Amino acid sequence: DAKTTQPNSMESNEEEPVHLPCNHSTISGTDYIHWYRQLPSQGPEYVIHGLTSNVNNRMASLAIAEDRKSSTLILHRATLRDAAVYYCLQGGSEKLVFGKGTKLTVNP
Amino acid sequence: DADVTQTPRNRITKTGKRIMLECSQTKGHDRMYWYRQDPGLGLRLIYYSFDVKDINKGEISDGYSVSRQAQAKFSLSLESAIPNQTALYFCATSDPSERIPRDTQYFGPGTRLTVL
Repeated sequence: DAKTTQPNSMESNEEEPVHLPCNHSTISGTDYIHWYRQLPSQGPEYVIHGLTSNVNNRMASLAIAEDRKSSTLILHRATLRDAAVYYCLQGGSEKLVFGKGTKLTVNP
Repeated sequence: DADVTQTPRNRITKTGKRIMLECSQTKGHDRMYWYRQDPGLGLRLIYYSFDVKDINKGEISDGYSVSRQAQAKFSLSLESAIPNQTALYFCATSDPSERIPRDTQYFGPGTRLTVL
């Protein structure tokens, strides 16, 4: 079973920031938080991951709550190419458990 | 060229037929995975292999078998296909020695299988 909880869908306008939330209340101290996204007609791709501290890379930022029970993926300026299903996962990455994810729609 | 390839990309078959889906990778990763995805659902793990001699069942292995012929090749077989195995199948690889990002999984483009 998926261990994380995400909204089914979100909408954003192009060039605006997007904050995608995730709850992972059962996370253990050694579990990483991973985010993947799946563009239409493609396999999932890695976005970002973190353990305790906030993380930034060229694709996004990851803000992790102090108690680690929730996190937020931040796309600083959404583009039409960011329309995808975003998956938040917790745990050992050897066996990732994908939930249904959040379908992000980006409006022009 | 793509690092993770899957063949075929699309397949239509009939109930009871034996089907093999193949996955090849040029990333040099030891770990390989097979997932299935049903419409509106996330991915579910079928089988995974941490090296050539290691095969493990995932959460939905019934009705499937796998073969790890080499480090670069991991095949998924449906011995007797049934309609509820109609789905999108993804292969993935990972390398636990990667430090940043740690053990990221890299996915193939998927195989769309339809069982009539």
